[in-house]
Amino acid sequence: GENVEQHPSTLSVQEGDSAVIKCTYSDSASNYFPWYKQELGKGPQLIIDIRSNVGEKKDQRIAVTLNKTAKHFSLHITETQPEDSAVYFCAAMGTGRRALTFGSGTRLQVQP
Amino acid sequence: EAGVVQSPRYKIIEKKQPVAFWCNPISGHNTLYWYRQNLGQGPELLIRYENEEAVDDSQLPKDRFSAERLKGVDSTLKIQPAELGDSAVYLCASSPDRANEKLFFGSGTQLSVL
Repeated sequence: GENVEQHPSTLSVQEGDSAVIKCTYSDSASNYFPWYKQELGKGPQLIIDIRSNVGEKKDQRIAVTLNKTAKHFSLHITETQPEDSAVYFCAAMGTGRRALTFGSGTRLQVQP
Repeated sequence: EAGVVQSPRYKIIEKKQPVAFWCNPISGHNTLYWYRQNLGQGPELLIRYENEEAVDDSQLPKDRFSAERLKGVDSTLKIQPAELGDSAVYLCASSPDRANEKLFFGSGTQLSVL
């Protein structure tokens, strides 16, 4: 089955700096890669996603890049703000089993 | 539009006791998921429903876990008997699209087994 590894597990940045979170996946057939943000006491919320036919996608201050050859994808947050502090999860979905496999999460702390 | 509703928010039980979690997905979402999230980890799929049919329950520990979605709307997940290792957050999610890509999660039920 699919295996998704995520790093770093914790990330602390100063407000206004950029943050980058990286994930690798094992199933070369995976074709959908979302990123979720989870705030304390809440369920994960989808913030951006990318499909395997696209190399990069951007939405305001967040962007995701995908390297299919290397089987890794990354989340980029620019001009970080304190409200960006949360746990971020990457995930991957294969063409066989129609269910997401999540990474272990990155706790992002944005210092004001 | 109401989101995915789960209850209870918290549950504390002693080991060997039964426990049940309830989920009401977003209206019109035919696909419903139960995930378990251990502390400091990502969600792990337990079971996926398409309407009332469980189409993926390969990760559900069937000796003690059961789930149902009788009318294809709300769902119940049960553990009987609970073990210490079952302490986790149980998340319900639903999806509006046939590709089951975009998941909408509830706030979860935090279970503590003592």
